[in-house]
Amino acid sequence: DAGVIQSPRHEVTEMGQEVTLRCKPISGHDYLFWYRQTMMRGLELLIYFNNNVPIDDSGMPEDRFSAKMPNASFSTLKIQPSEPRDSAVYFCASSLLQGAAEAFFGQGTRLTVV
Amino acid sequence: TQLLEQSPQFLSIQEGENLTVYCNSSSVFSSLQWYRQEPGEGPVLLVTVVTGGEVKKLKRLTFQFGDARKDSSLHITAAQPGDTGLYLCAGATGSGAGSYQLTFGKGTKLSVIP
Repeated sequence: DAGVIQSPRHEVTEMGQEVTLRCKPISGHDYLFWYRQTMMRGLELLIYFNNNVPIDDSGMPEDRFSAKMPNASFSTLKIQPSEPRDSAVYFCASSLLQGAAEAFFGQGTRLTVV
Repeated sequence: TQLLEQSPQFLSIQEGENLTVYCNSSSVFSSLQWYRQEPGEGPVLLVTVVTGGEVKKLKRLTFQFGDARKDSSLHITAAQPGDTGLYLCAGATGSGAGSYQLTFGKGTKLSVIP
């Protein structure tokens, strides 16, 4: 398996535009996580899915953020409209259904909103 | 919300020195993981500790889980420039479907100077 695949690696967009980040988890993993990483706040959990169902979205900062997982091999995180304070590195991770399961991270999407 | 405090936030040492970084919380975790992150990449798992008081060694790295499963430490012996990176601890809660969550600390940024 190629690991968790995220696209794009870098995204620069203007304030107000819609941004869509994509993630392909490792095949067979039951959990998918979306994290955001900044210098100030570290790695923050935004939302996670179990078997394609959103379980906890309490970390989603605002209604401008939405995430979907239409099937076991694909998830999206959408920001509409984007704002400069959304600039960060967004990571997707997946893991197996186990209490101490390792989270496998993608390489991240560096988002810059100007 | 479980909070994990990592200290120190930054650490710069000379090659060959020993160091310890800490991860503390007021919450009890079912397991605790340590990750290392290099620039431009996602975090990569180093170790998982599950049992209170557990000690695990990975070459020059020694990981310890506190007896009460609320804190952990990472000790590096004879640090090398290749150890440079961001060290993140992550506490896991829940183990059943729909309850599993992994919460990260902000990390310790380690620089080992040749």
